[in-house]
Amino acid sequence: EVQLVESGGDLVQPGGSLRLSCAASGFTFSSYWMHWVRQAPGKGLVWVSRIETDGSATTYADSVMGRFTISRDNAKNTLYLQMDSLRAEDTAVYYCARSGATRDFDYWGQGTLVTVSS
Amino acid sequence: DIQMTQSPSSLSASVGDRVTITCRASQSISSYFSWYQQKPGKAPKLLIYAASSLQGGVPSRFSGSGSGTDFTLTISSLQPEDFATYYCQQTHSTPFTFGGGTNVEIK
Repeated sequence: EVQLVESGGDLVQPGGSLRLSCAASGFTFSSYWMHWVRQAPGKGLVWVSRIETDGSATTYADSVMGRFTISRDNAKNTLYLQMDSLRAEDTAVYYCARSGATRDFDYWGQGTLVTVSS
Repeated sequence: DIQMTQSPSSLSASVGDRVTITCRASQSISSYFSWYQQKPGKAPKLLIYAASSLQGGVPSRFSGSGSGTDFTLTISSLQPEDFATYYCQQTHSTPFTFGGGTNVEIK
């Protein structure tokens, strides 16, 4: 069974840092692109970042470029999101998701809440 | 960036109704297009991929159509468990943008 389990969400002050993790199981992690998607309270879904299978290529939304870093450890079947210089507008539930050959996001984690507030 | 315009933003319908949600892309995205269902407090769930392919385990009352810039999600006979928010998404090019969502409520 495919499972994605996020962790690391917390309350952090503006300007602070946080690292999210997404533990994958039930599939060959190294064969899939992985993504982070966020959802602010009461708002819609926003794609944040993507990493290709071997981690050599990454892409970011403009709103997080230069502040967030996506990475993966294929030996540990884990996806990461390093979040620096956090702002109040980064407050959201962060989901990791897998995409396959047709690029759709076919499996999602349960989400982890990041709150940026003083 | 490719903008995804979803309509309506909300609708009220009764059990058994046929429901149609549309999504328009600001430029052609071929069939790099998906529909998701999200219930409160839960992660999104993939319903339709490649514009018209039904994800495994999804009831056949859900269907998708379209290509290029205009796409449609149809629920042929709305069931109680279908009351949720629906999102479209393009994966033609980054950023992989979502539509604003359609909240399907009970009439």
